[in-house]
This record gives sequence, C-alpha cells and structure tokens, in this order.
Amino acid sequence: AQSVTQLDSQVPVFEEAPVELRCNYSSSVSVYLFWYVQYPNQGLQLLLKYLSGSTLVKGINGFEAEFNKSQTSFHLRKPSVHISDTAEYFCAVSGGSQGNLIFGKGTKLSVKP
Amino acid sequence: DAGITQSPRHKVTETGTPVTLRCHQTENHRYMYWYRQDPGHGLRLIHYSYGVKDTDKGEVSDGYSVSRSKTEDFLLTLESATSSQTSVYFCAIREGNSPLHFGNGTRLTVT
Repeated sequence: AQSVTQLDSQVPVFEEAPVELRCNYSSSVSVYLFWYVQYPNQGLQLLLKYLSGSTLVKGINGFEAEFNKSQTSFHLRKPSVHISDTAEYFCAVSGGSQGNLIFGKGTKLSVKP
Repeated sequence: DAGITQSPRHKVTETGTPVTLRCHQTENHRYMYWYRQDPGHGLRLIHYSYGVKDTDKGEVSDGYSVSRSKTEDFLLTLESATSSQTSVYFCAIREGNSPLHFGNGTRLTVT
C-alpha cells in the first residue's frame, strides 16, 4: 500500500530565504505525486504535480519539486519565500484505481519578516 | 474552486443527532470524494463515488454513509454524530487523469 511521509511538521524560515519541504513516499507501483497548499480557513489548492517525464516539476507561486525515484522522494523547494507563502503544505501520492490520493500529515511553513 | 460548493460551511450539533453534509459540483465530473482533516493526521478518505449510485469505502468510513443520486451531488451522512467526528470535511472532484479539486470545507463540531 502507498504511504507518504512528510518529514517536518513545522518549518520556520525568514522572508527571502530558500526553503525545502521534504516528502518521501512508498509504493510498489508507478505513482503520480502532488503538492497542495492550504491557506488558513480555505480548501486545498494544487501547487504542482508529477505524472511522468521530466523529474523537475515547476508549479505556481515559484515553487518547484524534484521527483527522485531511487530515493522515493518528492521534495518541494522555493529559492526565496514571501510572507504570503505562510500556509500548510501537503504531499500526496495516487492511491488506488479510483484516483483517490494518500496524503501526508502536512508541513506548516511559517515565514517571518 | 472548480465549481464545488459545500454546505453548510459551519455546523454545531449534539452527540447522537444525524447530520448531512452536501457537496455540489457544476463540472459534471465523474469522481467525487469525501475527506476529513484533523491535526496531525492530514487528510483521510472517508468515502468516494465513481458514478451515480456507485460508491465505496475509504480509510475511515466507520460511522459515515454516502449517497449519490445525481452526478452533481454527493451527500455525506453521520447517522448518529459522535465527538470523534468533530473535524473539517472536504469534498473533492476529479475527471480522467486530472488532479483532485477541493471545495472550501465544512467545519463540523459535535458537542
């Protein structure tokens, strides 16, 4: 069965610093991978997805992620964060034949001035 | 939000009462999902539907039932609410290989 581990529950960082949010997955089959962002009191919004092809995936708001099959990782990065990036970020893997997703427990990114 | 409306947005109810949450979509997507979100657990799948009257259980289905009599509506029912069902509930839709699109959630408090 697929599973997702987000290695950090909270990541504090100063504005304009780089950030990496880590995600590892386990799966015995080919997977699709996703990062979602959730701003306070809102639903989840898709940041980026990996389905196939290039292992470096670019998403919205300047975020990117790299799929590493040998390390079963899909880490999310941004070279320079803004206050507005403060949110909770969820990594997810495709989980079944009906397209549902298996989510990690989330990483709260807190950007400080 | 990709034509998804959840209602109500907030609800407070008492233990033992029935509760129904509604998810309405205007996208004509085939797949619909109900997740619950709890601190430290991320999102967990409750039930999903792959067509009208076609539903199946997810990871945390105990105490919940669903119905889908029309493509656009997916109802989640708590037959007898318990305090452990206090949570934020999210509906999501999907078509083909597209990613899940989420509604804005329903915050349910069971007292």
